[in-house]
Amino acid sequence: KAGVTQTPRYLIKTRGQQVTLSCSPISGHRSVSWYQQTPGQGLQFLFEYFSETQRNKGNFPGRFSGRQFSNSRSEMNVSTLELGDSALYLCASSLDLTVQETQYFGPGTRLLVL
Amino acid sequence: DAKTTQPPSMDCAEGRAANLPCNHSTISGNEYVYWYRQIHSQGPQYIIHGLKNNETNEMASLIITEDRKSSTLILPHATLRDTAVYYCIVRDLAGNNRKLIWGLGTSLAVNP
Repeated sequence: KAGVTQTPRYLIKTRGQQVTLSCSPISGHRSVSWYQQTPGQGLQFLFEYFSETQRNKGNFPGRFSGRQFSNSRSEMNVSTLELGDSALYLCASSLDLTVQETQYFGPGTRLLVL
Repeated sequence: DAKTTQPPSMDCAEGRAANLPCNHSTISGNEYVYWYRQIHSQGPQYIIHGLKNNETNEMASLIITEDRKSSTLILPHATLRDTAVYYCIVRDLAGNNRKLIWGLGTSLAVNP
């Protein structure tokens, strides 16, 4: 099976712009989670989607949003970009919402905000 | 906050076993211990997970103490490609919240 794919892999934006990142989960996986990784904060949970519904949300401002489509693909959007949004954005998929279900990560999208 | 503590860095000679410790003294009865690793800014790679019994797969072994307050990830024959940051994570079950709460991990350097 193909793994989790994320597009684009690299992105450069300027402050105030918005950005949309895409994630395609492993075939058959219905849950998608998003994480932000920065050198200072490590990996931080953004949100999780299952069956097109947001199931969990981390402590990020409303500028960070996401959605999931009927084919389980997910997008996340960051509006009014700030310099501090520069980070590696990681998507992880799992089969369902079973607590012990393993999450598998994509390669990430590296966002640089100038 | 992360519920695990790990040493920030460790060294291991190539071909030897790498034993990576993790403390999770506040773990609750139904929480699983997960291990991931991340090789230089790639996406984290799942290694292994367990609840209370020791586990082994093709990548590693996981030893969990009887009181479940600590665990050790064992890479039996470390290679240079095992150089990575290793994360020990306890699965947050609060209110069915499945998010992974990450600490800073252990940076393992495998030396020739």
